[in-house]
Amino acid sequence: RKEVEQDPGPFNVPEGATVAFNCTYSNSASQSFFWYRQDCRKEPKLLMSVYSSGNEDGRFTAQLNRASQYISLLIRDSKLSDSATYLCVVNAGTYKYIFGTGTRLKVLA
Amino acid sequence: DTGVSQDPRHKITKRGQNVTFRCDPISEHNRLYWYRQTLGQGPEFLTYFQNEAQLEKSRLLSDRFSAERPKGSFSTLEIQRTEQGDSAMYLCASSLAGQGANEKLFFGSGTQLSVL
Repeated sequence: RKEVEQDPGPFNVPEGATVAFNCTYSNSASQSFFWYRQDCRKEPKLLMSVYSSGNEDGRFTAQLNRASQYISLLIRDSKLSDSATYLCVVNAGTYKYIFGTGTRLKVLA
Repeated sequence: DTGVSQDPRHKITKRGQNVTFRCDPISEHNRLYWYRQTLGQGPEFLTYFQNEAQLEKSRLLSDRFSAERPKGSFSTLEIQRTEQGDSAMYLCASSLAGQGANEKLFFGSGTQLSVL
């Protein structure tokens, strides 16, 4: 079993739609959680951290469920510019940042 | 530009040649990481430095790979006797220790290696 698992997609959604991605992790001792965005042939860029109480940044909402060991990302009112790969990242201690394979999102006009 | 910078952006080499990549982290960051990414996969951990000390290497890293961070600032990653399977994007990231759960990785734009 992979340490961090994501549905690779692609998720094809129309502009304005709401879309949600989940990510599961296997190490119950994991300490911090993030979503990164990666455009084609570019580096990953931090989208947002994920806090236990859930957090929101504009159209993006992240949630953490420690009991079930998953995190989620919700994107409301999707824009064409949201098309990218979204990487789930789990930190299990000091240097151990584990990346999922990413979920591809395509927002269609 | 105060972000993480990597050089070169692209490298094409013939099988069997040696290549070296450079990473300059964000200046105040004391932790530096190397990752490798292939198409359709997430970044895969290679090695980690805190200041000049290399504290961890992935078991996936063969003896042909070596990394240094001699003065705790920039880092180099060398691949000796390259193989076609080494073709990938090599990403460098840095972070600032001591922030607990708020510690985040910041990536450079990567070096795309193609081994012919």
